[in-house]
Amino acid sequence: GAVVSQHPSWVICKSGTSVKIECRSLDFQATTMFWYRQFPKQSLMLMATSNEGSKATYEQGVEKDKFLINHASLTLSTLTVTSAHPEDSSFYICSARPNYPPYEQYFGPGTRLTVT
Amino acid sequence: KQEVTQIPAALSVPEGENLVLNCSFTDSAIYNLQWFRQDPGKGLTSLLLIQSSQREQTSGRLNASLDKSSGRSTLYIAASQPGDSATYLCAVSPGNTPLVFGKGTRLSVIA
Repeated sequence: GAVVSQHPSWVICKSGTSVKIECRSLDFQATTMFWYRQFPKQSLMLMATSNEGSKATYEQGVEKDKFLINHASLTLSTLTVTSAHPEDSSFYICSARPNYPPYEQYFGPGTRLTVT
Repeated sequence: KQEVTQIPAALSVPEGENLVLNCSFTDSAIYNLQWFRQDPGKGLTSLLLIQSSQREQTSGRLNASLDKSSGRSTLYIAASQPGDSATYLCAVSPGNTPLVFGKGTRLSVIA
Protein backbone atom coordinates (compact mmCIF):
# COMPACT_ATOMS: atom_id res chain seq x y z
CA GLY A 1 0.00 0.00 0.00
CA ALA A 2 0.87 3.66 -0.22
CA VAL A 3 3.15 5.20 2.37
CA VAL A 4 2.56 8.28 4.47
CA SER A 5 5.31 9.55 6.74
CA GLN A 6 5.18 11.91 9.70
CA HIS A 7 7.93 13.82 11.37
CA PRO A 8 8.77 13.98 14.18
CA SER A 9 7.46 10.76 15.69
CA TRP A 10 7.53 12.37 19.11
CA VAL A 11 8.26 15.83 20.45
CA ILE A 12 8.43 17.50 23.85
CA CYS A 13 8.03 21.25 24.04
CA LYS A 14 7.52 23.89 26.69
CA SER A 15 4.28 25.78 27.24
CA GLY A 16 4.00 28.81 25.04
CA THR A 17 6.21 27.54 22.26
CA SER A 18 5.12 26.36 18.83
CA VAL A 19 5.77 23.01 17.24
CA LYS A 20 5.43 21.92 13.61
CA ILE A 21 4.51 18.43 12.47
CA GLU A 22 5.10 17.35 8.88
CA CYS A 23 3.09 14.83 6.91
CA ARG A 24 4.29 13.51 3.55
CA SER A 25 2.80 11.17 1.02
CA LEU A 26 5.82 9.31 -0.32
CA ASP A 27 4.57 7.51 -3.40
CA PHE A 28 1.42 9.29 -4.51
CA GLN A 29 0.08 12.78 -4.89
CA ALA A 30 -2.38 13.70 -2.17
CA THR A 31 -4.73 16.45 -3.12
CA THR A 32 -6.44 16.01 0.22
CA MET A 33 -4.88 15.45 3.62
CA PHE A 34 -6.50 15.11 7.00
CA TRP A 35 -5.31 15.78 10.51
CA TYR A 36 -6.63 13.77 13.42
CA ARG A 37 -6.12 13.89 17.15
CA GLN A 38 -6.38 10.89 19.42
CA PHE A 39 -6.64 10.81 23.19
CA PRO A 40 -5.66 7.68 25.14
CA LYS A 41 -8.01 4.77 24.56
CA GLN A 42 -10.28 6.85 22.35
CA SER A 43 -10.93 6.87 18.67
CA LEU A 44 -9.63 9.38 16.18
CA MET A 45 -11.10 12.86 16.16
CA LEU A 46 -10.94 14.70 12.84
CA MET A 47 -9.45 18.15 13.31
CA ALA A 48 -9.29 19.50 9.79
CA THR A 49 -9.25 18.70 6.10
CA SER A 50 -6.73 20.39 3.85
CA ASN A 51 -6.73 20.58 0.09
CA GLU A 52 -3.58 21.45 -1.77
CA GLY A 53 -3.33 25.14 -2.47
CA SER A 54 -6.38 26.19 -0.47
CA LYS A 55 -7.29 26.93 3.11
CA ALA A 56 -8.01 24.09 5.47
CA THR A 57 -11.53 23.27 6.61
CA TYR A 58 -11.65 22.91 10.36
CA GLU A 59 -14.10 20.81 12.31
CA GLN A 60 -16.37 22.47 14.80
CA GLY A 61 -14.58 23.26 18.03
CA VAL A 62 -11.06 23.21 16.57
CA GLU A 63 -9.29 26.57 16.85
CA LYS A 64 -7.87 27.42 13.46
CA ASP A 65 -5.55 30.08 14.91
CA LYS A 66 -4.08 27.57 17.29
CA PHE A 67 -3.72 24.66 14.88
CA LEU A 68 -2.28 26.11 11.68
CA ILE A 69 -2.43 23.83 8.67
CA ASN A 70 -0.54 24.35 5.46
CA HIS A 71 -0.85 22.13 2.40
CA ALA A 72 1.54 23.81 0.02
CA SER A 73 2.32 20.87 -2.23
CA LEU A 74 0.74 17.63 -3.36
CA THR A 75 2.99 15.62 -1.07
CA LEU A 76 3.37 17.76 2.04
CA SER A 77 1.05 19.11 4.71
CA THR A 78 2.12 20.66 8.00
CA LEU A 79 0.33 21.17 11.29
CA THR A 80 1.70 23.85 13.59
CA VAL A 81 0.50 23.91 17.18
CA THR A 82 0.95 27.50 18.26
CA SER A 83 1.41 28.69 21.85
CA ALA A 84 1.20 25.12 23.05
CA HIS A 85 -0.43 24.28 26.38
CA PRO A 86 -0.28 21.04 28.36
CA GLU A 87 -3.84 20.23 27.26
CA ASP A 88 -2.57 20.13 23.67
CA SER A 89 -0.56 17.04 24.59
CA SER A 90 -1.93 14.27 22.45
CA PHE A 91 -1.27 11.86 19.60
CA TYR A 92 -1.62 13.56 16.23
CA ILE A 93 -2.12 11.46 13.11
CA CYS A 94 -2.22 12.65 9.53
CA SER A 95 -3.84 10.93 6.60
CA ALA A 96 -3.54 11.39 2.87
CA ARG A 97 -5.83 10.46 0.03
CA PRO A 98 -5.34 10.47 -3.75
CA ASN A 99 -7.96 12.22 -5.82
CA TYR A 100 -9.21 9.13 -7.63
CA PRO A 101 -11.38 6.17 -6.67
CA PRO A 102 -11.60 4.32 -4.45
CA TYR A 103 -10.39 7.31 -2.41
CA GLU A 104 -8.55 5.09 0.03
CA GLN A 105 -7.11 6.95 3.01
CA TYR A 106 -3.58 6.14 4.09
CA PHE A 107 -2.38 7.05 7.54
CA GLY A 108 0.91 8.21 8.93
CA PRO A 109 2.53 6.64 12.01
CA GLY A 110 1.50 9.50 14.27
CA THR A 111 3.30 12.12 16.35
CA ARG A 112 3.24 12.07 20.14
CA LEU A 113 3.26 15.66 21.44
CA THR A 114 3.98 16.36 25.09
CA VAL A 115 3.77 19.93 26.33
CA THR A 116 5.43 20.57 29.67
CA LYS B 1 -25.13 12.55 10.34
CA GLN B 2 -23.30 9.28 9.80
CA GLU B 3 -22.59 7.26 12.93
CA VAL B 4 -20.47 4.14 13.13
CA THR B 5 -20.80 1.63 15.95
CA GLN B 6 -18.50 -1.25 16.70
CA ILE B 7 -19.29 -4.14 18.98
CA PRO B 8 -17.91 -5.56 21.10
CA ALA B 9 -15.75 -2.79 22.53
CA ALA B 10 -13.29 -5.40 23.77
CA LEU B 11 -12.75 -9.06 23.10
CA SER B 12 -10.40 -11.64 24.55
CA VAL B 13 -9.99 -15.02 22.89
CA PRO B 14 -7.57 -17.96 23.14
CA GLU B 15 -5.09 -18.43 20.35
CA GLY B 16 -6.40 -20.38 17.38
CA GLU B 17 -10.01 -19.27 17.63
CA ASN B 18 -11.89 -17.79 14.72
CA LEU B 19 -13.58 -14.51 15.59
CA VAL B 20 -15.90 -11.89 14.17
CA LEU B 21 -15.85 -8.15 14.75
CA ASN B 22 -18.98 -6.17 13.97
CA CYS B 23 -19.47 -2.71 12.54
CA SER B 24 -22.74 -0.91 11.82
CA PHE B 25 -23.42 2.45 10.24
CA THR B 26 -26.56 4.57 10.16
CA ASP B 27 -26.45 5.98 6.61
CA SER B 28 -26.22 3.38 3.88
CA ALA B 29 -25.13 5.97 1.30
CA ILE B 30 -21.45 5.11 1.60
CA TYR B 31 -18.77 5.01 -1.06
CA ASN B 32 -16.48 2.59 0.69
CA LEU B 33 -15.71 1.02 4.04
CA GLN B 34 -12.27 0.44 5.47
CA TRP B 35 -11.02 -1.75 8.29
CA PHE B 36 -7.88 -0.65 10.10
CA ARG B 37 -5.63 -2.03 12.75
CA GLN B 38 -3.97 0.15 15.37
CA ASP B 39 -1.27 -1.02 17.75
CA PRO B 40 -0.74 0.95 20.99
CA GLY B 41 0.99 4.26 20.34
CA LYS B 42 1.07 3.69 16.60
CA GLY B 43 -0.71 4.95 13.53
CA LEU B 44 -3.34 3.08 11.55
CA THR B 45 -2.62 0.21 9.21
CA SER B 46 -5.19 -0.34 6.48
CA LEU B 47 -6.37 -3.94 6.41
CA LEU B 48 -9.14 -4.06 3.86
CA LEU B 49 -11.18 -1.66 1.77
CA ILE B 50 -14.58 -2.63 0.45
CA GLN B 51 -16.20 -0.47 -2.18
CA SER B 52 -19.95 0.00 -2.01
CA SER B 53 -20.48 -2.24 -5.02
CA GLN B 54 -18.59 -5.10 -3.40
CA ARG B 55 -19.80 -7.58 -0.81
CA GLU B 56 -16.51 -8.83 0.59
CA GLN B 57 -12.75 -8.61 0.48
CA THR B 58 -10.16 -11.10 1.65
CA SER B 59 -6.55 -10.76 2.66
CA GLY B 60 -4.82 -13.78 4.15
CA ARG B 61 -6.65 -14.78 7.33
CA LEU B 62 -8.89 -11.73 7.16
CA ASN B 63 -12.25 -11.51 5.46
CA ALA B 64 -14.45 -8.44 5.52
CA SER B 65 -18.04 -8.40 4.37
CA LEU B 66 -20.35 -5.52 3.59
CA ASP B 67 -24.14 -5.40 3.57
CA LYS B 68 -24.81 -1.84 2.61
CA SER B 69 -28.58 -2.07 2.70
CA SER B 70 -28.59 -3.14 6.34
CA GLY B 71 -25.69 -0.91 7.29
CA ARG B 72 -23.42 -3.69 8.50
CA SER B 73 -19.92 -4.98 8.01
CA THR B 74 -18.05 -7.80 9.69
CA LEU B 75 -14.36 -8.55 9.93
CA TYR B 76 -13.63 -12.25 10.25
CA ILE B 77 -10.24 -13.32 11.57
CA ALA B 78 -9.37 -16.97 11.13
CA ALA B 79 -7.05 -18.92 13.40
CA SER B 80 -6.24 -15.95 15.61
CA GLN B 81 -2.67 -15.41 16.81
CA PRO B 82 -1.21 -13.33 19.68
CA GLY B 83 0.20 -10.99 17.04
CA ASP B 84 -3.37 -10.13 16.05
CA SER B 85 -3.83 -8.35 19.38
CA ALA B 86 -4.61 -4.71 18.58
CA THR B 87 -7.50 -2.30 18.23
CA TYR B 88 -9.53 -2.77 15.08
CA LEU B 89 -11.28 0.26 13.64
CA CYS B 90 -14.06 0.39 11.09
CA ALA B 91 -14.58 3.55 9.03
CA VAL B 92 -16.97 4.58 6.28
CA SER B 93 -16.73 7.23 3.63
CA PRO B 94 -19.62 8.90 1.78
CA GLY B 95 -17.20 9.61 -1.06
CA ASN B 96 -14.87 12.53 -1.43
CA THR B 97 -15.16 13.36 2.26
CA PRO B 98 -13.35 12.29 5.43
CA LEU B 99 -13.76 8.85 6.90
CA VAL B 100 -16.15 8.47 9.83
CA PHE B 101 -14.72 6.12 12.43
CA GLY B 102 -16.19 3.78 14.98
CA LYS B 103 -14.65 3.65 18.44
CA GLY B 104 -12.94 0.36 17.73
CA THR B 105 -12.77 -3.15 19.15
CA ARG B 106 -9.82 -3.93 21.37
CA LEU B 107 -8.76 -7.51 20.68
CA SER B 108 -6.55 -9.63 22.91
CA VAL B 109 -5.47 -13.05 21.71
CA ILE B 110 -4.14 -15.13 24.57
CA ALA B 111 -1.37 -17.64 23.89
